[in-house]
Amino acid sequence: KNEVEQSPQNLTAQEGEFITINCSYSVGISALHWLQQHPGGGIVSLFMLSSGKKKHGRLIATINIQEKHSSLHITASHPRDSAVYICAVKRYTDKLIFGTGTRLQVFP
Amino acid sequence: ETGVTQSPTHLIKTRGQQVTLRCSSQSGHNTVSWYQQALGQGPQFIFQYYREEENGRGNFPPRFSGLQFPNYSSELNVNALELDDSALYLCASRMTSAANTGELFFGEGSRLTVL
Repeated sequence: KNEVEQSPQNLTAQEGEFITINCSYSVGISALHWLQQHPGGGIVSLFMLSSGKKKHGRLIATINIQEKHSSLHITASHPRDSAVYICAVKRYTDKLIFGTGTRLQVFP
Repeated sequence: ETGVTQSPTHLIKTRGQQVTLRCSSQSGHNTVSWYQQALGQGPQFIFQYYREEENGRGNFPPRFSGLQFPNYSSELNVNALELDDSALYLCASRMTSAANTGELFFGEGSRLTVL
């Protein structure tokens, strides 16, 4: 069993829909990252969370440390949101343990 | 634009050769980590450098080595290339201080193909 599990693995949506991606982890962490990876390969860090909730534009990330669970929400989704969204947890140093990613496709 | 630049973006090598991948970080980013991402997989931690010293390593053999320089650039060297080394190699950097762990910034990656 992976230490970081994401669901769903694949997600399709119509433009404008509200999207939720979930991440569960089984280890103690100091922080959790939500990352976005486009087909070209580069990764962009969306959020780093250690507690509570963060919002940036149409993106919202929440974390529940007791339940070892985090969610990434996208409001009013748009085709340019299509990407792979990766949850990664930070244990020590910068050793991130990555989830397998959620491939999101938003259709017009 | 993350301010982290990797080169080359793509390269092809043959088995047994050696390769050097480069990463240029933002000024002040004293911590850099390298990751290997095989096709269809999540990234795997290779190692981390802090102030030019290695201070963390994943499950990679010694033929994977690195350097970090005072000008906030770094290198990943891989000797005796194997076919399974074909992957996207990502570097990520941040500023670490006693008071703060800064946000992590990733480069676009270097895609290595070993034939």
